[in-house]
Amino acid sequence: GDSVTQMEGPVTLSEEAFLTINCTYTATGYPSLFWYVQYPGEGLQLLLKATKADDKGSNKGFEATYRKETTSFHLEKGSVQVSDSAVYFCALSAPGGGFKTIFGAGTRLFVKA
Amino acid sequence: DTAVSQTPKYLVTQMGNDKSIKCEQNLGHDTMYWYKQDSKKFLKIMFSYNNKELIINETVPNRFSPKSPDKAHLNLHINSLELGDSAVYFCASSQDTARADTQYFGPGTRLTVL
Repeated sequence: GDSVTQMEGPVTLSEEAFLTINCTYTATGYPSLFWYVQYPGEGLQLLLKATKADDKGSNKGFEATYRKETTSFHLEKGSVQVSDSAVYFCALSAPGGGFKTIFGAGTRLFVKA
Repeated sequence: DTAVSQTPKYLVTQMGNDKSIKCEQNLGHDTMYWYKQDSKKFLKIMFSYNNKELIINETVPNRFSPKSPDKAHLNLHINSLELGDSAVYFCASSQDTARADTQYFGPGTRLTVL
């Protein structure tokens, strides 16, 4: 079945450090890929998405590129801020799964001042 | 104006009780969902409704019963609550079930069963 694997956390960085959170997927057909972010005490919200191979999603300084050859969608940010501290979820929606959204386990990010 | 709202935000109850969580969306979306998030933040879909019709029903105990009186509302009723039901429950909505649809989440309901 469809699945998403993302790196385990927590990830702890100092402010202005470079961030990478790895995400790989398994899916039938051609999935859409998403990154959602959950700030403390809140629901998830969409950070960025990509719908086809080689697409790059970007928002708030975060980027991720849909890599079909490596089945990956790694999240990157060049310079993190304390306010980026949150849990990040990689997700996919694929036709083989009836377009049900499958979420990864989440990666908690702590950014220190 | 809150897009997806849930009530209550916190719910503390005893084992064996019956409780309900309500969800409303004002986005005009056709599809709504219930998710359960455990203490390790793992998010699992429970149910999905499209235009008031049940389209996803994951392996969930039949003590959980969703009800969608109209497209804008999806409520979750839980009978005979158990300790393992303690979690944060999120409601979400999307325009429809298309592959690239963004889901909009409510703020969550933290359920604690004592």
